[in-house]
Amino acid sequence: QKEVEQDPGPLSVPEGAIVSLNCTYSNSAFQYFMWYRQYSRKGPELLMYTYSSGNKEDGRFTAQVDKSSKYISLFIRDSQPSDSATYLCAMTWAGGTSYGKLTFGQGTILTVHP
Amino acid sequence: DGGITQSPKYLFRKEGQNVTLSCEQNLNHDAMYWYRQDPGQGLRLIYYSQIVNDFQKGDIAEGYSVSREKKESFPLTVTSAQKNPTAFYLCASSFRGIHNEQFFGPGTRLTVL
Repeated sequence: QKEVEQDPGPLSVPEGAIVSLNCTYSNSAFQYFMWYRQYSRKGPELLMYTYSSGNKEDGRFTAQVDKSSKYISLFIRDSQPSDSATYLCAMTWAGGTSYGKLTFGQGTILTVHP
Repeated sequence: DGGITQSPKYLFRKEGQNVTLSCEQNLNHDAMYWYRQDPGQGLRLIYYSQIVNDFQKGDIAEGYSVSREKKESFPLTVTSAQKNPTAFYLCASSFRGIHNEQFFGPGTRLTVL
């Protein structure tokens, strides 16, 4: 079983829809959670960074963490065609030689059509 | 402009040949990382380095080697021992410490013919 599971999709939605992207994880030591966006043939860029249970909002994006259920989500409101990309969840934990070592989900391919 | 550069963007190699992928950053970051990305598998860590002249194996280091002689540079060599080297390779860097964002380069697509 992989430490981080993410539905690869693909996910196709109409413009203006609310998108929900999800990851589950098995390692309870994970404390820090990230969402990256990756456009085709480009490197990923960081969208959201959270380290506590609950919601964090940034514009149209909301990251949600539920540590008791080992579940994180990214919500995109009023989705736009420019949001079409692969979304990757990533997580890590503090301590020792693992500092900075991220574990990624498989990525979800999202297409927002006009 | 500050950032991470990777070269070349596309690379073709014959079976049995070693090849070196370049990664340079001018962000003054201490830590650098190499990931491999395959369709449907997300990013998998190959090697990482927290400081100059020190590096650690990631989850899939077999068939790869790295060096970290300068803070700005972290080249990755894909050796002939790597059984399935065709992939998209991504380099990243960050400041040291748990809260520091990893910035990614544009990637190198390696194809073995």
